[in-house]
Amino acid sequence: QAGLTQPPSVSKGLRQTATLTCTGNSNNIGDQGAAWLQQHQGHPPKLLSYRHNNRPSGISERFSASRSGNTASLTITGLQPEDEADYYCSAWDSSLRAWVFGGGTKLTVL
Amino acid sequence: EVQLVESGGGLVQPGGSLRLSCVASGFTLSGHSMHWVRQAPGKGLEFVLGIGSNGDTYYGNSVKGRFTISRDTFKNTLYLQMGSLRAEDMAVYYCAREDNSFDSWGQGALVTVSS
Repeated sequence: QAGLTQPPSVSKGLRQTATLTCTGNSNNIGDQGAAWLQQHQGHPPKLLSYRHNNRPSGISERFSASRSGNTASLTITGLQPEDEADYYCSAWDSSLRAWVFGGGTKLTVL
Repeated sequence: EVQLVESGGGLVQPGGSLRLSCVASGFTLSGHSMHWVRQAPGKGLEFVLGIGSNGDTYYGNSVKGRFTISRDTFKNTLYLQMGSLRAEDMAVYYCAREDNSFDSWGQGALVTVSS
């Protein structure tokens, strides 16, 4: 099953800005946009944003999402130690009729 | 408050079967699409199966013909019936509600496939 492509790791300093990317195709990200999930070790994922840049209640404004063509991005500003986690993108694939995920990006806050 | 609680995980031999349950509270399960997503040890998230509010089912490639999804509206419970289990099915299985993507997740149930 074709998935979405994310870089395996990103490292940034405290209070800096990190931008994570996720590449798909016209059947998934290019069609419906992407959602972003955060997962800390040993915990279930948490939804950060959905369909371009909608944030669920309680999610900090430091997290913002965007899309350009078949690529989605998640920007995290003012990095904090608690932002160190794995980040996954996901999208509905209208051709596969299934959800697809990226392989995840491990964000390290230095 | 929305809550999802999985149960039924455990150790099963290759070729065996197992049924996971996910009890939902705080919302009506049949009013949402619900999904099973798994995560193998040290790996990423993988879509397993989903069921729409209209009853349509959606399959991840790796489990077609072996796993089925169902729900009991009276018990507000989602099920995952797994058969012909393989070593590569070993994972934490999460149930997740779809409301603008996966907005709520359970804590997960660990399935270990080993002889």
